[in-house]
Amino acid sequence: DAGVIQSPRHEVTEMGQEVTLRCKPISGHNSLFWYRQTMMRGLELLIYFNNNVPIDDSGMPEDRFSAKMPNASFSTLKIQPSEPRDSAVYFCASSATRQETQYFGPGTRLLVL
Amino acid sequence: KQEVTQIPAALSVPEGENLVLNCSFTDSAIYNLQWFRQDPGKGLTSLLLIQSSQREQTSGRLNASLDKSSGRSTLYIAASQPGDSATYLCAVFFYNQGGKLIFGQGTELSVKP
Repeated sequence: DAGVIQSPRHEVTEMGQEVTLRCKPISGHNSLFWYRQTMMRGLELLIYFNNNVPIDDSGMPEDRFSAKMPNASFSTLKIQPSEPRDSAVYFCASSATRQETQYFGPGTRLLVL
Repeated sequence: KQEVTQIPAALSVPEGENLVLNCSFTDSAIYNLQWFRQDPGKGLTSLLLIQSSQREQTSGRLNASLDKSSGRSTLYIAASQPGDSATYLCAVFFYNQGGKLIFGQGTELSVKP
């Protein structure tokens, strides 16, 4: 298996632009997680899905952030409009069930100017 | 609020030394505890997962212990090598967090040749 796939790996954009991050989980995994990592706040869970259904989005910072999982093999995290404080590394992870080992993608490094 | 703390934040040791990384958590009602490794600019790699009913798990030169009652876990690395240099993160799956892993801030390990 190729592992969790994320795209793009790097994104540089200007404040106010829309940003879409993409994730393909490991085949057969039922849970998908979106995290954000910064030096100041460490690794924070933004939202997670179970069987394509959003279970907990309490970590989503504000209405500018939205996430979807239209099917078992694809998820997106969208930021609209983006702000400089959104600059971070965004990770997607998947697991067979929510309690089991999580497998992380390589991350998307986002810089908002 | 359930929290995960890792001390020290950074550790430097000479090659060949045995070392211990510490993780503490504030609530003993946990489902499992997971140790991850993160190399610079990369995603997280799962090292060990200890179920709440277990006391330890071993993988090669790594041994993780769990003491739920005292809210502590340790990651023991035997005969450290320069290739072990990375940030090590502890994450706890608390029963009362609705299915979320809570991460510590990590310990940055440097093994000098």
